[in-house]
Amino acid sequence: DQQVKQNSPSLSVQEGRISILNCDYTNSMFDYFLWYKKYPAEGPTFLISISSIKDKNEDGRFTVFLNKSAKHLSLHIVPSQPGDSAVYFCAASARETSGSRLTFGEGTQLTVNP
Amino acid sequence: NAGVTQTPKFRVLKTGQSMTLLCAQDMNHEYMYWYRQDPGMGLRLIHYSVGEGTTAKGEVPDGYNVSRLKKQNFLLGLESAAPSQTSVYFCASRNVRDRSSSYEQYFGPGTRLTVT
Repeated sequence: DQQVKQNSPSLSVQEGRISILNCDYTNSMFDYFLWYKKYPAEGPTFLISISSIKDKNEDGRFTVFLNKSAKHLSLHIVPSQPGDSAVYFCAASARETSGSRLTFGEGTQLTVNP
Repeated sequence: NAGVTQTPKFRVLKTGQSMTLLCAQDMNHEYMYWYRQDPGMGLRLIHYSVGEGTTAKGEVPDGYNVSRLKKQNFLLGLESAAPSQTSVYFCASRNVRDRSSSYEQYFGPGTRLTVT
C-alpha cells in the first residue's frame, strides 16, 4: 500500500504567486517529514523538513505545514520563481525504523510560468 | 568533497546480462541506500546498509544484490537483468552522527539503465 501519497501529479503557477504542494500519509508511526526537489537528470536534493512535534517550519521562501490529525502536510513556496520548476517529493520516516528509511510519495511536477 | 557519485551514468543491457552499479561517498556517512525511480511511483528503496559489512532488504529487493565491503562504497548488482528493471537508480547516504541531520539523505546523480 502507498503509505505516502501526493495526489497531484502536476501543478502550474504564475511567477510571484504561491505554490502549494500537498502530501498525505497513512502510517501513524511516521514522526519526521521531508521535502526533496529534483531537477531533470539530477539526484533529489533536500529542501526542508519538519518533526511531528511541530506544526510549521519555515526556511526563506519555503514553509512546511504539518496537520497530524489529518495526516497531511503541505509545502508552500512564496513567491514562486521559474527556477522552482522541478519535481517535488514528500518523504516520511519513523524513528524506530531500521536504517532511518524514508518512504517517498510519487512526486509533483511544479511548473512556474514567467 | 565530491559528495555521492555513481558509476556509470547510463547503461543499456540485454535481458539476462549482469552488471554492477557503483556508489561512492566521501562524507564518511554510515548509512547508504539504493533506490529506483519509475514514472508515477516516486523513489522506492531496493536495499540499504547501516554500516560496513551489513546490508538489508528494502521495499523492492527482488532481482538485486548488494555489498558494502568498504564504508565509502555501496554496490548494486543485477545478476540476470530483466526489462522490468529498466529504471533510474539513485544511491544515497546519511550521516547518523550528526543529531541535527534531520534524517536527510544525500543523493547521487543517478544511473539510467535500459534493459532490452
